[in-house]
Amino acid sequence: EVQLVESGGGMVQPGGSLRVSCAASGFTFSNYWMTWVRQAPGKGLEWVANIRQDGSQKHYVDSVKGRFTISRDNAKYSLYLQMNSLRAEDTAVYYCATSEQSSSWSSQHWGQGTLVTVSS
Amino acid sequence: DIQMTQSPSSLSASVGDRVTITCRASESISSYLNWYQQKAGKAPKLLIYAASSLQSEVPSRFSGSGSGTDFTLTISSLQPEDLATYYCQQTYRIWTFGQGTKVQIK
Repeated sequence: EVQLVESGGGMVQPGGSLRVSCAASGFTFSNYWMTWVRQAPGKGLEWVANIRQDGSQKHYVDSVKGRFTISRDNAKYSLYLQMNSLRAEDTAVYYCATSEQSSSWSSQHWGQGTLVTVSS
Repeated sequence: DIQMTQSPSSLSASVGDRVTITCRASESISSYLNWYQQKAGKAPKLLIYAASSLQSEVPSRFSGSGSGTDFTLTISSLQPEDLATYYCQQTYRIWTFGQGTKVQIK
């Protein structure tokens, strides 16, 4: 069974940093692009970043460029999102998901999400 | 960036009704369009990929159509368990989601 389990969320002050993680199991992690999507409280979905299987390509939404870094450790079946210079508008549930190039980059598998709250 | 506009933002329909949700892209995205269902407090679930391909184990009452800039998600016979918010997503360039359509049951 495919499982994605996010962790590392919590409360942080504006300007602070946080790293959220996603532990994968039940599939060959190194075969998949991986994606972070976030959802602010009561709002819609926002794609944040994605990373190629070998980590050689990374893409970000403009609002997080220069502040967030996506990375992965295929040996540990883990995906990460390092978030620096956090702002109140980064408050959201952060989901990790697989992305399959063969199916229009759709995300079939999702984690349950981890809540990041940026507040003083 | 490519903007995705969904309509309506919300709708209320009866069980058994045919429901249509539209999604318009600000420029052509070919068929790089996916649809997701999100129930309250849950992660999104993939329904349709590549505009019209039904994801495995998704009920056949869900269907998608369109290409270029205009896309449609149709629920042929609304069921109580379809209460959810539905999102389109373009993956043509710097992926973006539509703002969502909340489907309620009368």
